[in-house]
Amino acid sequence: TQLLEQSPQFLSIQEGENLTVYCNSSSVFSSLQWYRQEPGEGPVLLVTVVTGGEVKKLKRLTFQFGDARKDSSLHITAAQPGDTGLYLCAGESEGSQGNLIFGKGTKLSVKP
Amino acid sequence: ETGVTQSPTHLIKTRGQQVTLRCSSQSGHNTVSWYQQALGQGPQFIFQYYREEENGRGNFPPRFSGLQFPNYSSELNVNALELDDSALYLCASSPGPQETQYFGPGTRLLVL
Repeated sequence: TQLLEQSPQFLSIQEGENLTVYCNSSSVFSSLQWYRQEPGEGPVLLVTVVTGGEVKKLKRLTFQFGDARKDSSLHITAAQPGDTGLYLCAGESEGSQGNLIFGKGTKLSVKP
Repeated sequence: ETGVTQSPTHLIKTRGQQVTLRCSSQSGHNTVSWYQQALGQGPQFIFQYYREEENGRGNFPPRFSGLQFPNYSSELNVNALELDDSALYLCASSPGPQETQYFGPGTRLLVL
């Protein structure tokens, strides 16, 4: 069974701080996606990474895919209250029909 | 706004009953995937439909079934409801089976 472990599970920080969220697995994924989910809503795609070692930036968010395509990280610089939400990583394995394997998520709270 | 809608938004059922949840995909998307998200967990893949045929299934019993229609709508049916079926049910549409999935807001099901 493929699993994605996310850490930390909860994170409460002050506005302006930096943070990193990790997503780890013992399995190789053909692609990995990061989503943000707010209460009562579905996950919204932030980024997809497909190449080992790939780094993508989205404003203050930096996403990295591990060289072996087994892990990923999300770094947020100068967090703002609007960044509050549940951050989910999801992997797609080779040969799958597109079904995503999700981690349990990191619940981020950014206090003003 | 992903263009994916789900109905109803909330539903309360009792154990043993049957429920039908509905999803309307983005126009042109011939693939729909359904996920179950229990409280405090990441979404878990139930199944995927591609061109009205089941195209992959996760670890869910046969009492979870689905239908996809030519008009980009789909249904998730759950028979013999159990208390553990209480969760947020998400549908996600995509242009094809291994392409980016766009999630709806979900249906919150409570089984008493």
